Amino acid sequence: DQQVKQNSPSLSVQEGRISILNCDYTNSMFDYFLWYKKYPAEGPTFLISISSIKDKNEDGRFTVFLNKSAKHLSLHIVPSQPGDSAVYFCAASNAGGTSYGKLTFGQGTILTVHP
Amino acid sequence: EAGVAQSPRYKIIEKRQSVAFWCNPISGHATLYWYQQILGQGPKLLIQFQNNGVVDDSQLPKDRFSAERLKGVDSTLKIQPAKLEDSAVYLCASSYRLAGGYNEQFFGPGTRLTVL
Repeated sequence: DQQVKQNSPSLSVQEGRISILNCDYTNSMFDYFLWYKKYPAEGPTFLISISSIKDKNEDGRFTVFLNKSAKHLSLHIVPSQPGDSAVYFCAASNAGGTSYGKLTFGQGTILTVHP
Repeated sequence: EAGVAQSPRYKIIEKRQSVAFWCNPISGHATLYWYQQILGQGPKLLIQFQNNGVVDDSQLPKDRFSAERLKGVDSTLKIQPAKLEDSAVYLCASSYRLAGGYNEQFFGPGTRLTVL
């Protein structure tokens, strides 16, 4: 049962353009969402998060949007840079419940930004 | 601040052999996690410790996997005996907060295990 899904295995964009990575979830108990970035041979690094009480969170070039009714979130990177090329994982948590903050990850999307 | 340390970085074993992985979390982090990441998939939580107690091991295959976190700091994950399907990257993560709440986790570089 895949509770967090990233349906696009890969995305290719031109430097300077916008990258939009999408994530869908099925568990309505999730109330905290995170994006992680992963380079080859390294562990995932935290990028940005959003609580379910918000619909948008912005940090520099990165913005996460949350649509609770659609159970959908997206990560926007503007402008995209070649150094953003990595695997991006969406993760969700029932932070306010009894799951001890357990993260459920999507399958990941490989982003390639071309110079 | 030093990050999460893991060793070894790579390990190749034959099926039915045993293997152990070590993790040293960020100093002061109360919660420690072990994840399994199979190629093409996202990390899957195997076990979660708060200090030296287990809070979630529901997805740990307990017939072959075991983990401990002595003294609430370092942790080891063991597989005995290994199967071909255990080939994956094993990630260790830690977080400052106690289990629960808004929980940003910091990951180590992982151990890539290949079972032949």
